[in-house]
Amino acid sequence: DTAVSQTPKYLVTQMGNDKSIKCEQNLGHDTMYWYKQDSKKFLKIMFSYNNKELIINETVPNRFSPKSPDKAHLNLHINSLELGDSAVYFCASSQFRNTGELFFGEGSRLTVL
Amino acid sequence: KNQVEQSPQSLIILEGKNCTLQCNYTVSPFSNLRWYKQDTGRGPVSLTIMTFSENTKSNGRYTATLDADTKQSSLHITASQLSDSASYICVVSPGNTDKLIFGTGTRLQVFP
Repeated sequence: DTAVSQTPKYLVTQMGNDKSIKCEQNLGHDTMYWYKQDSKKFLKIMFSYNNKELIINETVPNRFSPKSPDKAHLNLHINSLELGDSAVYFCASSQFRNTGELFFGEGSRLTVL
Repeated sequence: KNQVEQSPQSLIILEGKNCTLQCNYTVSPFSNLRWYKQDTGRGPVSLTIMTFSENTKSNGRYTATLDADTKQSSLHITASQLSDSASYICVVSPGNTDKLIFGTGTRLQVFP
């Protein structure tokens, strides 16, 4: 029944490793997002896909690469992890790009040691 | 510069009391304003979405107001409950871009 689901919920890894976070939505939405929430709880957009097409690519290091195999899935792969990558990453989806309500996943807490 | 500012940063109230959270924005053009509730360790959940023509919108004990002229919004919580303890985030959609403008949130704690 979960609308937007992310895995894993927790991820602890060493610097330099490569890791992936997966996201799936069963709402039939066309648009999906990745947000990063830092220690101050500020949410910042990273990427947005509409119908598998990249429409937002914020100033994010190219170590971060999103992939959307279909419009229900948006995965985030991170290469060569750094300490500063530690944060909570939220996946979200919406029916309409600019005006639609955002439905968030539960978040994936990434800790880089 | 498009910005959303929220006040207070944090708030402590007793169970059963009312409270009001503020949101001021300098976003143009304006499409809609949203309030989200984020419980600790959970994802944000939408409370209300208001367009410029809507002055008030309620969702149970939550009532949001919007003054598009002064670019201010408030979220009023009536008869607070312990479960209202959370962060409340104000978000503005400019409408001409997919990038929403997020406030930094107000952390509300309700004590018995």
